[in-house]
Amino acid sequence: QVQLQESGPGLVKPSQTLSLTCTVSGGSISSGGYYWSWIRQHPGKGLEWIGYIYYSGSTYYNPSLKSRVTISVDTSKNQFSLKLSSVTAADTAVYYCARHIVPDNWFDPWGQGTLVTVSS
Amino acid sequence: QTVVTQEPSFSVSPGGTVTLTCGLSSGSVSTSYYPSWYQQTPGQAPRTLIYSTNTRSSGVPDRFSGSILGNKAALTITGAQADDESDYYCVLYMGSVVFGGGTKLTVL
Repeated sequence: QVQLQESGPGLVKPSQTLSLTCTVSGGSISSGGYYWSWIRQHPGKGLEWIGYIYYSGSTYYNPSLKSRVTISVDTSKNQFSLKLSSVTAADTAVYYCARHIVPDNWFDPWGQGTLVTVSS
Repeated sequence: QTVVTQEPSFSVSPGGTVTLTCGLSSGSVSTSYYPSWYQQTPGQAPRTLIYSTNTRSSGVPDRFSGSILGNKAALTITGAQADDESDYYCVLYMGSVVFGGGTKLTVL
């Protein structure tokens, strides 16, 4: 079955760009029919959807983060990536990637999540 | 901006039934919002329970059910068990994906 795994630096300095990659196994991103999303969870808080990408490269971002977010896809590696610019301590969170099933707009499966801390 | 509302906390006795709700700060939830529900235990990724209002995800026991109750989406747990003690999140689609703040369910 499809599995997702996040990877990337666990520590990022303020004002820099957070970069994460999600590797999809057990299925092809290029097969279509699904979006691929990033979701984050601040420590001890709830979940926040960041945005999604389709294998074609079309994207849609949370309006509250849109100015700082870029999601890209590499179909040759079966990966999609997140870049979040100008980070502050408020961006410290566990970042999850998930398959985003449409048109019903639900998420399954999820990656295990990776903690990114923004600190100097 | 419309906020998705959930009870911050709820408690249920073992074997009991509990209904968690998912509403809007303005307006009513309908099936066209495609409500979905996720269960999360500490340190774990969320697990999908319900999608499209009332469809159980693969492997989810039938004591979890979803519905629309009045102007809210609802998740009902029948015959609560100790390992149901978790955080529960709903998601609504409003042109963008919005998570509720979550409900911490205690089984005691």
